[in-house]
Amino acid sequence: EPEVTQTPSHQVTQMGQEVILRCVPISNHLYFYWYRQILGQKVEFLVSFYNNEISEKSEIFDDQFSVERPDGSNFTLKIRSTKLEDSAMYFCASSATSTQETQYFGPGTRLLVL
Amino acid sequence: AQSVTQPDIHITVSEGASLELRCNYSYGATPYLFWYVQSPGQGLQLLLKYFSGDTLVQGIKGFEAEFKRSQSSFNLRKPSVHWSDAAEYFCAVGGQAGGTSYGKLTFGQGTILTVHP
Repeated sequence: EPEVTQTPSHQVTQMGQEVILRCVPISNHLYFYWYRQILGQKVEFLVSFYNNEISEKSEIFDDQFSVERPDGSNFTLKIRSTKLEDSAMYFCASSATSTQETQYFGPGTRLLVL
Repeated sequence: AQSVTQPDIHITVSEGASLELRCNYSYGATPYLFWYVQSPGQGLQLLLKYFSGDTLVQGIKGFEAEFKRSQSSFNLRKPSVHWSDAAEYFCAVGGQAGGTSYGKLTFGQGTILTVHP
């Protein structure tokens, strides 16, 4: 069964450093998403991406964040200058269409900012 | 703004007992409702979803959920719990509030299920 994969599974970085989290969505899917979950809190929507542009983003997704689909398979989330409060589990998801399709989630990347 | 409330942070049941996990939502239009399950170290796996039609939906692993518009609820049930059901369960809402949506899901806090042998 096709699945969403994410790398790395864990990342430790120093505050102020740039990180890139990588995701490989399911191959025939067109909509891509990033969510995050701070320890003990809800899973929160960050951004949706379709047709090589951002469709929707949350208030969390400020200028420090960017997303990109650099090739036909990868979907990346970049945090330009990490803060302590960026420590969280980051989930990538993809769906075939937008609203009435299941979003398939990856296993997540746990980011720790020191 | 859309929101989801899962009142129970942690539930413990005995294996073989029935289970009900509560979910209440707030949404300005017709909601699309989902239950996801997360086992340790795993991603979020869809258990079931409701878009329209029959308000009682069946999912994988013997789970079902009932949409009750009057109560703004979408509770998850299972008649007999197995030890392998121990995990964290998330209710989520999405849809077309305001006429546009790009699939954004809003999640509840999650309910951790512990199963005693």
